[in-house]
Amino acid sequence: QQQVRQSPQSLTVWEGETAILNCSYEDSTFDYFPWYWQFPRESPALLIAIRPVSNKKEDGRFTIFFNKREKKLSLHITDSQPGDSATYFCAASNNRIFFGDGTQLVVKP
Amino acid sequence: ETAVFQTPNYHVTQVGNEVSFNCKQTLGHDTMYWYKQDSKKLLKIMFSYNNKQLIVNETVPRRFSPQSSDKAHLNLRIKSVEPEDSAVYLCASSFLGGRATGQLYFGEGSKLTVL
Repeated sequence: QQQVRQSPQSLTVWEGETAILNCSYEDSTFDYFPWYWQFPRESPALLIAIRPVSNKKEDGRFTIFFNKREKKLSLHITDSQPGDSATYFCAASNNRIFFGDGTQLVVKP
Repeated sequence: ETAVFQTPNYHVTQVGNEVSFNCKQTLGHDTMYWYKQDSKKLLKIMFSYNNKQLIVNETVPRRFSPQSSDKAHLNLRIKSVEPEDSAVYLCASSFLGGRATGQLYFGEGSKLTVL
């Protein structure tokens, strides 16, 4: 059973639009939810993260919305830029880290 | 600034050969990982070491074997490579198995191509 699921698999938006990437999880003991982004030919790197005590985490144009009851979270990227084009991984951890399959985001100029 | 170092970054070999990848982290972390990333970008955990002890050993073929001499080093040996082993192998490190912050620091990756 996959512990972390992401949707959509791929997403294309125009520059300036808001991109919404979705994530859901299975295990209620997860206590940390990081998002990683990965640019072509590079390794994943931490973008932003949230703990279940909060329902929102903001960092510039990037915001995580967290719904503990529904075991769902989403990453909103406002004013999307072509430089945001990357693969975004949602992850969840307790004493182990589980990754989703990623969302490939393309921002068209 | 890179703090997780992997060698080699690229390796091309033929079916049946042996391959080794090396990883070193200078962050003082106590946990290191090997991930396999395929052509579809899927990240699959292979092994995890905490203070030189194997704490996760996902179901991977027996031809894969990790080795750790200390908490700063983690190597991966593939005894007899198969075509499906072609992938990028990512080394990562963190504190306390990721529980403290969940943040993983990845190396640049070792891309394996099996002909």
